[in-house]
Amino acid sequence: NAGVTQTPKFQVLKTGQSMTLQCAQDMNHNSMYWYRQDPGMGLRLIYYSASEGTTDKGEVPNGYNVSRLNKREFSLRLESAAPSQTSVYFCASVPTGDRKLYGYTFGSGTRLTVV
Amino acid sequence: AQSVTQLGSHVSVSEGALVLLRCNYSSSVPPYLFWYVQYPNQGLQLLLKYTSAATLVKGINGFEAEFKKSETSFHLTKPSAHMSDAAEYFCAVSDRAAGNKLTFGGGTRVLVKP
Repeated sequence: NAGVTQTPKFQVLKTGQSMTLQCAQDMNHNSMYWYRQDPGMGLRLIYYSASEGTTDKGEVPNGYNVSRLNKREFSLRLESAAPSQTSVYFCASVPTGDRKLYGYTFGSGTRLTVV
Repeated sequence: AQSVTQLGSHVSVSEGALVLLRCNYSSSVPPYLFWYVQYPNQGLQLLLKYTSAATLVKGINGFEAEFKKSETSFHLTKPSAHMSDAAEYFCAVSDRAAGNKLTFGGGTRVLVKP
């Protein structure tokens, strides 16, 4: 089925370890986003890529980096994980132009625990 | 900057009763507004959206929302709650001037009592 695929679904890291969260979409969407979800805070934007070759910071970018590898893939990297980065991470994509009115498509999330 | 406020982090309703979830937004431009639903351990699913056409918007699963510019509100309703409506609901506003970023409210968790 077409959509947004995130890997891994679950991950436990030790403080200071690094890892990359992967996201791929097969809908030919131009824009992709990384959000984190924490209880009572909704979803907060970490980074986004409005189009292939561009990336911009969102609301909570500290401690993260991103790479828009190609139009399909947008990865999120934690260089040195901290307990405050324990969260559920969602990737999303949306077309541009009039098709953006269809709304975002979200992946199923990556549940990350940093101990 | 855009913002969204959802009144009430938890709502409890009886099966068959009205569901009303409140959302107020702040936006410097005419907004695009969305409601998403999240079932346990799943991603977010689009319920409905307002994109400057009709102010009363109908979505999936019997939900609807009304855009009221004068009140800067976009409240979500369903006339008769079903047990399957138990989930968390998020209101969001799109920043059309900056990469279509979505800004979310804090979410409202709905509990449906039999």
